[in-house]
Amino acid sequence: QQKVQQSPESLSVPEGGMASLNCTSSDRNFQYFWWYRQHSGEGPKALMSIFSDGDKKEGRFTAHLNKASLHVSLHIRDSQPSDSALYFCAAADSNYQLIWGSGTKLIIKP
Amino acid sequence: ETAVFQTPNYHVTQVGNEVSFNCKQTLGHDTMYWYKQDSKKLLKIMFSYNNKQLIVNETVPRRFSPQSSDKAHLNLRIKSVEPEDSAVYLCASSYGGSSGNTLYFGEGSRLIVV
Repeated sequence: QQKVQQSPESLSVPEGGMASLNCTSSDRNFQYFWWYRQHSGEGPKALMSIFSDGDKKEGRFTAHLNKASLHVSLHIRDSQPSDSALYFCAAADSNYQLIWGSGTKLIIKP
Repeated sequence: ETAVFQTPNYHVTQVGNEVSFNCKQTLGHDTMYWYKQDSKKLLKIMFSYNNKQLIVNETVPRRFSPQSSDKAHLNLRIKSVEPEDSAVYLCASSYGGSSGNTLYFGEGSRLIVV
């Protein structure tokens, strides 16, 4: 079983709408979480990291972490066509072994 | 702005040939990585390397080997390519010598084995 699971696999959101991506880990040792975004033909780029329970906001992006439920989410408000990409969740334990989810493909429809 | 540079971007070769991909980072990081991204877009770490230690993913076939001249360069050599090696190979770097820090990726090198 994959230790970091992302849902949904694919998501379509109208331009200007809210996109919500989910990530659940199966290992309570995971303490550090990242969201990366990969546009077609490029390498992944880090969007934001979150290490503490609660919300972390950076511009239109908000990450939420609940360590008790091993769940982290990413919310994108006012979605733009340029947000269309593959989004990865990655988690690391105290030994800093980074485990990647399988990605969520986000499509923003103009 | 790109700070991890990979060459070539694209390479087509025949089964059994040797291939090398080059990677250079200008971020001053002390750790570099190679990842394989398959056709399903899954990311799998192959190697991580800093000046002191090479960590190899035990699932990586022995025909793959990293080569480093200094901390800014980490190349990937594939001795005798197989069809299943067709993928995008991504180089990354980080500061601090652990995966606990943010990774900066290059744009990838696509390998097609015919």
